[in-house]
Amino acid sequence: QQQVRQSSQSLTVWEGETAILNCSYENSAFDYFPWYQQFPGEGPALLIAIRSVSDKKEDGRFTIFFNKREKNLSLHIKDSQPGDSATYFCAATANSGTYQRFGTGTKLQVVP
Amino acid sequence: DMKVTQMPRYLIKRMGENVLLECGQDMSHETMYWYRQDPGLGLQLIYISYDVDSNSEGDIPKGYRVSRKKREHFSLILDSAKTNQTSVYFCASTGTPQNTLYFGAGTRLSVL
Repeated sequence: QQQVRQSSQSLTVWEGETAILNCSYENSAFDYFPWYQQFPGEGPALLIAIRSVSDKKEDGRFTIFFNKREKNLSLHIKDSQPGDSATYFCAATANSGTYQRFGTGTKLQVVP
Repeated sequence: DMKVTQMPRYLIKRMGENVLLECGQDMSHETMYWYRQDPGLGLQLIYISYDVDSNSEGDIPKGYRVSRKKREHFSLILDSAKTNQTSVYFCASTGTPQNTLYFGAGTRLSVL
């Protein structure tokens, strides 16, 4: 079963808007949540990550908001740029886990 | 240089042929992975290798096998390829499950 869910397969925003990508998970043991960014023809690359002891992680225009009680998190991309157009994967793993579980990805298109 | 290299990048095979996908990393990571990526399904884990000759099945191992004889090199083998194994295959490596996954650029395999 899908342990990590991304509700939107695709999202389109205008340049300058804030893009919000959502993710939810089932396993309460998950405590590390990376987001990966993938451009066409490339492998995914780590964008930003959060641990469950925090409720927010910020890195430039990218912010993760984490809600442990609701078992969901979101990636906010402020002032979206056309260069942010990519597929974004939410992932999760537990401290005792052996590998990261991935969501199905959200394809973001930023329109100029 | 922190790089994961996959060869070949593109491959076309006929149903029933054997397929060898190769992956190398220069980070001395113990743990390496093989994923496949299909539209709408995200990244699905095929096999994990914890070190030389220490491999475990992932979520979808059927039809695949792996070989790891050197820490820096991890191979994925499809014996008698099937058309439903047409996909993009990614190799990744990491120091620990809660660290960054470093992905290669992928191998696009078509089985006709």
